Amino acid sequence: GENVGLHLPTLSVQEGDNSIINCAYSNSASDYFIWYKQESGKGPQFIIDIRSNMDKRQGQRVTVLLNKTVKHLSLQIAATQPGDSAVYFCAENAGGTSYGKLTFGQGTILTVHP
Amino acid sequence: ETGVTQTPRHLVMGMTNKKSLKCEQHLGHNAMYWYKQSAKKPLELMFVYNFKEQTENNSVPSRFSPECPNSSHLFLHLHTLQPEDSALYLCASSQVRGRGNTEAFFGQGTRLTVV
Repeated sequence: GENVGLHLPTLSVQEGDNSIINCAYSNSASDYFIWYKQESGKGPQFIIDIRSNMDKRQGQRVTVLLNKTVKHLSLQIAATQPGDSAVYFCAENAGGTSYGKLTFGQGTILTVHP
Repeated sequence: ETGVTQTPRHLVMGMTNKKSLKCEQHLGHNAMYWYKQSAKKPLELMFVYNFKEQTENNSVPSRFSPECPNSSHLFLHLHTLQPEDSALYLCASSQVRGRGNTEAFFGQGTRLTVV
């Protein structure tokens, strides 16, 4: 049945710990993936992206891993800080004629305790 | 500063009102989008404009009417909305290339309340 309310997955960590946020995507034709961070009262902010010809990409304190076999994406945040507290979304794009169309996951709430 | 500016930030409107949301991007992108974010659903794509042409209408009710006069501006015209349309409406832009896409940059959103 249809969900009346959406209960987002939550992750609580201590400051300084590493965080791992997971995402399962649905479209095997998707070839471009993005992680976004959304703080309260703001629009989503780009964190990092990865194309399907890669399985790992690193940024500053963040790493994205892509497992196309099981259609799974993860975001690793090293040395998590209170400012990292936000909702994190993965998004997928199938490219080709569907360029411009991002399909978002439901999001994960990350709370970092000082 | 995101490069994508939305106005107004907050809007309260009655069900018989007509209002418009405005979005402007300063990034030189060729594609713009409207998304709806409500508490009960994941972020939902509403409309896609590539090179000012609408290429996607994700089964959005006709009480939402988009307009893209040029590649930098995007409007969402609202009329006879319903309380369940209350949500955060997000505008985004991206640069669509021949192969593959680049990330979408989002505005801060317009918090819409329909009373």
